[in-house]
Amino acid sequence: EAGVAQSPRYKIIEKRQSVAFWCNPISGHATLYWYQQILGQGPKLLIQFQNNGVVDDSQLPKDRFSAERLKGVDSTLKIQPAKLEDSAVYLCASSLRGQGVDEQYFGPGTRLTVT
Amino acid sequence: GQQVMQIPQYQHVQEGEDFTTYCNSSTTLSNIQWYKQRPGGHPVFLIQLVKSGEVKKQKRLTFQFGEAKKNSSLHITATQTTDVGTYFCAGRRSGGYNKLIFGAGTRLAVHP
Repeated sequence: EAGVAQSPRYKIIEKRQSVAFWCNPISGHATLYWYQQILGQGPKLLIQFQNNGVVDDSQLPKDRFSAERLKGVDSTLKIQPAKLEDSAVYLCASSLRGQGVDEQYFGPGTRLTVT
Repeated sequence: GQQVMQIPQYQHVQEGEDFTTYCNSSTTLSNIQWYKQRPGGHPVFLIQLVKSGEVKKQKRLTFQFGEAKKNSSLHITATQTTDVGTYFCAGRRSGGYNKLIFGAGTRLAVHP
């Protein structure tokens, strides 16, 4: 089965510019996650979708980050305007149900550098 | 809020030596998952522990969940160079919906 797809793989932008990342989860997975992984740290959940509804966005900096999951499949994560501290790898993951004992499958990530 | 801590942060071993990483949560967990991330790669699911005191083995890897469901460990016997990477534990708090909280990871280097 195909894994989680993400694009682009790398992005370099200047601060105050905007950027968007795309994710296509594993077919049939109801739950989609966006994580931010800063170098040397574990992934931090930004937002979790169940189908096309938001389950948790408590750690999403809503003044600059936005995400959507139209039709409950693909998702985009946008940053506008970017700050230097947004430099990180943005990981998309999906799982079948998103509850309890559900394992998550991660995509390759997008490495963002903000200069 | 909930915190998940891992120690050590780094571990260097000679090939053939054993390795252990420990994970501690500030709150009782409903379950804990372990992931491995190779250098330049993405986290890959290894295993999930649900029951108090549970022990699971995968070849040379042994995973334990504490009796109080607040700590866990991963032990690798006779490390190989293929074990290189960062091992993350991720815990989910008990009661209702709770997101998975990842620890900072333990980075393992194996010298041949």
